[in-house]
Amino acid sequence: DAMVIQNPRYQVTQFGKPVTLSCSQTLNHNVMYWYQQKSSQAPKLLFHYYDKDFNNEADTPDNFQSRRPNTSFCFLDIRSPGLGDAAMYLCATSRDRSSTDTQYFGPGTRLTVL
Amino acid sequence: AQSVTQLGSHVSVSEGALVLLRCNYSSSVPPYLFWYVQYPNQGLQLLLKYTSAATLVKGINGFEAEFKKSETSFHLTKPSAHMSDAAEYFCAVSDRGNYGGSQGNLIFGKGTKLSVKP
Repeated sequence: DAMVIQNPRYQVTQFGKPVTLSCSQTLNHNVMYWYQQKSSQAPKLLFHYYDKDFNNEADTPDNFQSRRPNTSFCFLDIRSPGLGDAAMYLCATSRDRSSTDTQYFGPGTRLTVL
Repeated sequence: AQSVTQLGSHVSVSEGALVLLRCNYSSSVPPYLFWYVQYPNQGLQLLLKYTSAATLVKGINGFEAEFKKSETSFHLTKPSAHMSDAAEYFCAVSDRGNYGGSQGNLIFGKGTKLSVKP
């Protein structure tokens, strides 16, 4: 089945220690998104890639970076995680960037910061 | 700009009862609206979406939603709740800016947790 895969499902890191979260997709979609979802809150878009074009949300902290080496993979790098960065990180894909396109979500990576 | 408001952070129904989850939107351009479901420790799954065709939209798992422009609402309903419907439900609107652009970003409501009692 075509899908969006996130690894790892659970990640524990220490305060200030860089961490990388991974997302891969077999849907061959052009767009890949990263959302942050804190406990009992709505998912909040951090940034997205349209093909190789990176689009950062205005209020995304500089501490968060992303890489998309090819169509299938996208990474979220947190350079110096703080306690406030503990959250579920959701990767999503869509065929195009049309407002009517469905976004397909991965299962998420739950990040704990000690 | 667009936004959605979900009324009620928690809703509890008995198995077999009607499910009604409320969502109101605000948009300066015709909105595109979505309902997603999230089971514990899982990602979001699309239930249904409204993209300006039929105002009554049928989705998966027996859910449907009706777009009512006069009420700026897009409430989600299911005639008979099942235990497996217990999850968190998110209403979302596509971010189309102030001029109806096509950016693809989703703006989510805060979610409603649905509990189903036996």
